[in-house]
Amino acid sequence: QVQLVQSGAEVKKPGASVKVSCKASGYTFTSYGISWVRQAPGQGLEWMGWISAYNGNTNYAQKLQGRVTMTTDTSTSTAYMELRSLRSDDTAVYYCARSVVVPAAPFDYWGQGTLVTVSS
Amino acid sequence: QSALTQPRSVSGSPGQSVTISCTGTSSDVGGYNYVSWYQQHPGKAPKLMIYDVSKRPSGVPDRFSGSKSGNTASLTISGLQAEDEADYYCCSYAGSYSWVFGGGTKLTVL
Repeated sequence: QVQLVQSGAEVKKPGASVKVSCKASGYTFTSYGISWVRQAPGQGLEWMGWISAYNGNTNYAQKLQGRVTMTTDTSTSTAYMELRSLRSDDTAVYYCARSVVVPAAPFDYWGQGTLVTVSS
Repeated sequence: QSALTQPRSVSGSPGQSVTISCTGTSSDVGGYNYVSWYQQHPGKAPKLMIYDVSKRPSGVPDRFSGSKSGNTASLTISGLQAEDEADYYCCSYAGSYSWVFGGGTKLTVL
């Protein structure tokens, strides 16, 4: 069965970086893309960016350009999201979500979420 | 990219129908037939309920239906059940492998 298993919760200080992993199983990793979506406490969902596991192409939300990097390791079927220069308003649950590598495909499977807390 | 506009909350009694709206622009909702809806229970990951405006993934009850007119998409839940109480988010493709979510709607089953 399809599974996306994310790394554990993180606590970071302002200005630091965090790298969250998302290990995929149960499907052909390179046939799909991975989007990262975050949810601040009590708030809605925010799309952060997308990476193709097929060729590594990326597209990031404009507000995060320059602070976020998404990568994949096809040898381990794992996607990564690194966010730098962390601020208190980056405190959120971060989700990875799978979509077929065609434009506009929906997010049909999601990881369990990773809580990132930014606090001094 | 601004978030799509959803009502903060809706409610209905068991067995009734409710509709949740999702308003965007011609650059997202109005420009593509690629609106999806996600259900999220507290502390859980979102679950895909509707995609491509009106298609249901396998396993989603046919009580859930979607539609779109112009820049506004809608999710209708008929025959409300207690387990439908959750937050619902619309999401639209916005071109060039980018997406935008709505602010979310809390559904209360009275």
